[in-house]
Amino acid sequence: EAQVTQNPRYLITVTGKKLTVTCSQNMNHEYMSWYRQDPGLGLRQIYYSMNVEVTDKGDVPEGYKVSRKEKRNFPLILESPSPNQTSLYFCASSLGLAGGSGELFFGEGSRLTVL
Amino acid sequence: ELKVEQNPLFLSMQEGKNYTIYCNYSTTSDRLYWYRQDPGKSLESLFVLLSNGAVKQEGRLMASLDTKARLSTLHITAAVHDLSATYFCAVDDGGAQKLVFGQGTRLTINP
Repeated sequence: EAQVTQNPRYLITVTGKKLTVTCSQNMNHEYMSWYRQDPGLGLRQIYYSMNVEVTDKGDVPEGYKVSRKEKRNFPLILESPSPNQTSLYFCASSLGLAGGSGELFFGEGSRLTVL
Repeated sequence: ELKVEQNPLFLSMQEGKNYTIYCNYSTTSDRLYWYRQDPGKSLESLFVLLSNGAVKQEGRLMASLDTKARLSTLHITAAVHDLSATYFCAVDDGGAQKLVFGQGTRLTINP
């Protein structure tokens, strides 16, 4: 089954404790992206990757890091989480905004709470 | 900077009625997407509109795109309770390699 898989789905952590949210897709998509969803603010892009070893900042990259060492994986790293990073996070992938239809396929979401 | 606005943001309607959700965007784009999100769930792709005049229909939902007016509509025909969800439009900001999402329209359909 074609899917985007995120882990963990739910996490409560404390300020400053490094964490990683993993994302993996099995559709051989070149493009991957992370969004956060907050009430009243909609979905905002954090980082994106157009291919292996190619990543770039989105609209709200502060406090986050990403890597793309393999095509299928695109982990989101919070080096020192703060309460304002409490949010619902979505990983998404597509064939690419230029080469394909640009349709994004979303993971199930990861709800993160930072105390 | 591309901005995407939906209206209404909240919509409560009765089963059997028709209604339309509007999605306006601020800069030129030929690609627009509609997604559905149920509470606590992921976003599910509904429609991909890739050119001016594109019209797609699935069941009681129909989406259209007018790139000249920078407007897309999502029309609901004879609403049923199962269509209750939040609907998002998203526009391709190709130069920035991202989709820009509207605020979402929370649709509640009452029996």
